Amino acid sequence: ETGVTQTPRHLVMGMTNKKSLKCEQHLGHNAMYWYKQSAKKPLELMFVYSLEERVENNSVPSRFSPECPNSSHLFLHLHTLQPEDSALYLCASSQERSGAGSYGYTFGSGTRLTVV
Amino acid sequence: GQSLEQPSEVTAVEGAIVQINCTYQTSGFYGLSWYQQHDGGAPTFLSYNALDGLEETGRFSSFLSRSDSYGYLLLQELQMKDSASYFCAVRDQGGANNLFFGTGTRLTIIP
Repeated sequence: ETGVTQTPRHLVMGMTNKKSLKCEQHLGHNAMYWYKQSAKKPLELMFVYSLEERVENNSVPSRFSPECPNSSHLFLHLHTLQPEDSALYLCASSQERSGAGSYGYTFGSGTRLTVV
Repeated sequence: GQSLEQPSEVTAVEGAIVQINCTYQTSGFYGLSWYQQHDGGAPTFLSYNALDGLEETGRFSSFLSRSDSYGYLLLQELQMKDSASYFCAVRDQGGANNLFFGTGTRLTIIP
């Protein structure tokens, strides 16, 4: 148990489906993130929420839609995905401190997404 | 933009010492971090260097040279459980704690 819980752990969806990934953190952190992890590639930053406000959208296609209803929950809504979107989607949280360096992210175990 | 370079694979012997290097290019720099990820698991935070020099945490140490845009992770007294992927990451000046990761180094420990 890492303090960041992601559900589901595995998801198979068709290209016409709509699904959502859920992330919940119990650490009292004020920033949350979505990353995509594909084989042989760096973790790709997708979205950043700080104090429930989206502060970064790293050129992610509109078929991915994030939602952060409160500081403990983060969703990633998926629709009309492509097979190349198959990857491990990781959620992370951190305590953002203005002017300070990185104090480390806490990651969830991820959702393994397969688009067929 | 940002780019980080790490070796893709390293093999080392149980009980030995191994060093995993990372070179980076970023528009801004707010420190170098290291993460460990076992197969099927979540990346876990290992260390952070904001200033030049060596930081030691048990069997793991991390080094940074800002003038060389270079750092490394040093693992001592290797154990079989240290077999994992290791990622270096830099914080870009884009705000918040945005971390950008390297491609990772797959470390295999052999008996």
